Amino acid sequence: GAVVSQHPSRVICKSGTSVKIECRSLDFQATTMFWYRQFPKQSLMLMATSNEGSKATYEQGVEKDKFLINHASLTLSTLTVTSAHPEDSSFYICSASDLPEDSDNYGYTFGSGTRLTVV
Amino acid sequence: LAKTTQPISMDSYEGQEVNITCSHNNIATNDYITWYQQFPSQGPRFIIQGYKTKVTNEVASLFIPADRKSSTLSLPRVSLSDTAVYYCLVGDIRGDYGGATNKLIFGTGTLLAVQP
Repeated sequence: GAVVSQHPSRVICKSGTSVKIECRSLDFQATTMFWYRQFPKQSLMLMATSNEGSKATYEQGVEKDKFLINHASLTLSTLTVTSAHPEDSSFYICSASDLPEDSDNYGYTFGSGTRLTVV
Repeated sequence: LAKTTQPISMDSYEGQEVNITCSHNNIATNDYITWYQQFPSQGPRFIIQGYKTKVTNEVASLFIPADRKSSTLSLPRVSLSDTAVYYCLVGDIRGDYGGATNKLIFGTGTLLAVQP
């Protein structure tokens, strides 16, 4: 089945620095990827839709200048948390859609997530 | 996208069958119903997907009544390792070219706790 690889799995950074998270579709091309954030004991919250070759679409309340998204190829989207603060500490998850003939479901495969801790 | 309503939590014992029902009264004609499982500190994992009637795979069954306003995920003979959060999502996810582009909005999910 389709595989989405997310890196790193864990990262600790100092307040004020920037952190980049990568999301790769390993065996399929994804024109669209999605970025979610999940706080402890809460559901996944959609942050933005990443479109290959164009600007990302952000959900209401998500600062596009703080969460920079780049989808430069059909297999890679990156999320950069700029000037990170402790309140940005969270679990970040990406997902990508794949073609139905390469998957056992119409829809989405999720990465394994990135645990970001800002100290 | 159709809003979904699920029980916040459920308890079960090993070996029992567990049924989790999801309500989606505003489901649209093109919407599919998909269930995901999530363990702590992991991304959601696809369980099963359906449009109508019944779907069965090696891990679960999905029952969808004719009006499609609800669906029930059935897990046969659960084990301790089935303790997780289960999410029901509905949406028009097929897209024009086979690749889905419509975003998935997660509801609260159901925390299933399986005890020995």
